Amino acid sequence: DAKTTQPPSMDCAEGRAANLPCNHSTISGNEYVYWYRQIHSQGPQYIIHGLKNNETNEMASLIITEDRKSSTLILPHATLRDTAVYYCIVRVRDTGFQKLVFGTGTRLLVSP
Amino acid sequence: KAGVTQTPRYLIKTRGQQVTLSCSPISGHRSVSWYQQTPGQGLQFLFEYFSETQRNKGNFPGRFSGRQFSNSRSEMNVSTLELGDSALYLCASSLEAGNTIYFGEGSWLTVV
Repeated sequence: DAKTTQPPSMDCAEGRAANLPCNHSTISGNEYVYWYRQIHSQGPQYIIHGLKNNETNEMASLIITEDRKSSTLILPHATLRDTAVYYCIVRVRDTGFQKLVFGTGTRLLVSP
Repeated sequence: KAGVTQTPRYLIKTRGQQVTLSCSPISGHRSVSWYQQTPGQGLQFLFEYFSETQRNKGNFPGRFSGRQFSNSRSEMNVSTLELGDSALYLCASSLEAGNTIYFGEGSWLTVV
């Protein structure tokens, strides 16, 4: 079973920041938080990952709470092309296993 | 750098037939995994390979099989196709097992 809980859907106005929450209250100390998104009919796209520090890349920022029980993915200036299903996944890294357990994700709709 | 390449992108098969799907990982990536995505079950892990060895297998019947070649390319095979096998089949690769995983665009299989 997925170890994360996400709202099923969110709306965001184009140009505004999209803040997607994720609850992972049972996360272990060696588990990373990964975010992927899937635009309709395409393969999931890797966005960002982190362990306990906040992370930022060209696509998004990841804010992880100090107790690591929840995190927020931030798309600073959402565009229509950011409309997708966003998946938050916790995963032990560097263990030699590739298995990802996907939940149902958050369907983000960016509107003009 | 080319991404994960999957062929064919779309195919239609008849119930009872078999199908082989191919995956070329990102250059230099040695770990490959496969996922099935259906509207009812979401994204589910099928199996993963590293150095031509299957390391992990999801909860799928024996009709689903795969292999990895010495150049890290991978194939998956589904025999005795059933209508319920209609799905998007996704291949993913990572540099080493445990590293960040990148997905291909998938192969759409329709069983009629």
